Amino acid sequence: IAGITQAPTSQILAAGRRMTLRCTQDMRHNAMYWYRQDLGLGLRLIHYSNTAGTTGKGEVPDGYSVSRANTDDFPLTLASAVPSQTSVYFCASSEGRIGDTQYFGPGTRLTVL
Amino acid sequence: AQSVTQLDSQVPVFEEAPVELRCNYSSSVSVYLFWYVQYPNQGLQLLLKYLSGSTLVKGINGFEAEFNKSQTSFHLRKPSVHISDTAEYFCAAAIQGAQKLVFGQGTRLTINP
Repeated sequence: IAGITQAPTSQILAAGRRMTLRCTQDMRHNAMYWYRQDLGLGLRLIHYSNTAGTTGKGEVPDGYSVSRANTDDFPLTLASAVPSQTSVYFCASSEGRIGDTQYFGPGTRLTVL
Repeated sequence: AQSVTQLDSQVPVFEEAPVELRCNYSSSVSVYLFWYVQYPNQGLQLLLKYLSGSTLVKGINGFEAEFNKSQTSFHLRKPSVHISDTAEYFCAAAIQGAQKLVFGQGTRLTINP
């Protein structure tokens, strides 16, 4: 069982370029999440999805968009990357009830120059 | 205002010594509390969580945490640490009425031989 996979593992991107980070889970979880991790700030929620077909904004959604066409996939798109989006991005999933454990992918390290 | 606060950004300890990592939460979050661990270059994994019941929660790898409602704290402890416990530790809380989590800033635990 793979759990959550993320691609790419790392990427260097020129400012202004469009980029999609991929996330796939095989646990049939209802809820999925995207976080960014920055030194000294912990993890901050970008967007989430409670179930396929629905999405919501987290704490830091500006500059990012998501879609949830099916249960397994939850891609994160940067329409026009800026250097402040340099970060490590983690995808997570859970069954979707309050108090459920969130399971995390290995992360994508993104550098925007 | 920060909802979850980890009071120490770094904690160095000697191998086989006890350790306590401190976490305080605000009233803006629920009392569904979590500790996650992130080993170098990996995603986060759950150490333990408190949902209800006994205030002393035992987790994996010999860690435990105590929920203290009057102190609004959820400190993580281990009586004797090992080199393999070197990692970053994150305290998190569920946002009121939702399965979304808010994370603390993280504490880097360094074990010296």
